[in-house]
Amino acid sequence: AQSVTQLDSQVPVFEEAPVELRCNYSSSVSVYLFWYVQYPNQGLQLLLKYLSGSTLVKGINGFEAEFNKSQTSFHLRKPSVHISDTAEYFCAVTNTNAGKSTFGDGTTLTVKP
Amino acid sequence: EPEVTQTPSHQVTQMGQEVILRCVPISNHLYFYWYRQILGQKVEFLVSFYNNEISEKSEIFDDQFSVERPDGSNFTLKIRSTKLEDSAMYFCASSEEPLGNEQFFGPGTRLTVL
Repeated sequence: AQSVTQLDSQVPVFEEAPVELRCNYSSSVSVYLFWYVQYPNQGLQLLLKYLSGSTLVKGINGFEAEFNKSQTSFHLRKPSVHISDTAEYFCAVTNTNAGKSTFGDGTTLTVKP
Repeated sequence: EPEVTQTPSHQVTQMGQEVILRCVPISNHLYFYWYRQILGQKVEFLVSFYNNEISEKSEIFDDQFSVERPDGSNFTLKIRSTKLEDSAMYFCASSEEPLGNEQFFGPGTRLTVL
């Protein structure tokens, strides 16, 4: 079994400030890790993913995340946010032996002017 | 850029009625999934499908649910007798491979059961 915990349900931040959205996971087997963004009334868009290799992965829209195996974390970061980054962000894991994804509860990022 | 499409975008139905949600996965993808998201909650896995059969299903996916790939392009989710608690956004996804590959999500169908 696997689970995902997103530690912050809501993150308010001012425009151009840095942001970190935290994600921890648990699994008895190796996993792949993903971050998705969901804008209001829209579907899920992949921001970035970690499969193997470098633990620092860069995604779209200036986001990056670092996989930390010892801390079982995959925190999402952006050095300077824009108003347009306001959205719901979901961390997800996929068991390397199975295809389904398990999602966290989501973090609402609100960027204020 | 190829994308997953879903129809309808919004479905309103009466409790007890059957609904069919339709998805057209990306054409060269072989693995298909349904997820649901109850309003304000997280995305939950329902079922995965490969080679014309269910690969895995969650406890949510009970006998009221079924999936089908009726032709070479569509992938459907049927709910036989809808309940109020089936109201949610339903997302279809597809991937080239099942393991670690990106699942491409459709825009979702919002199902409202009255």
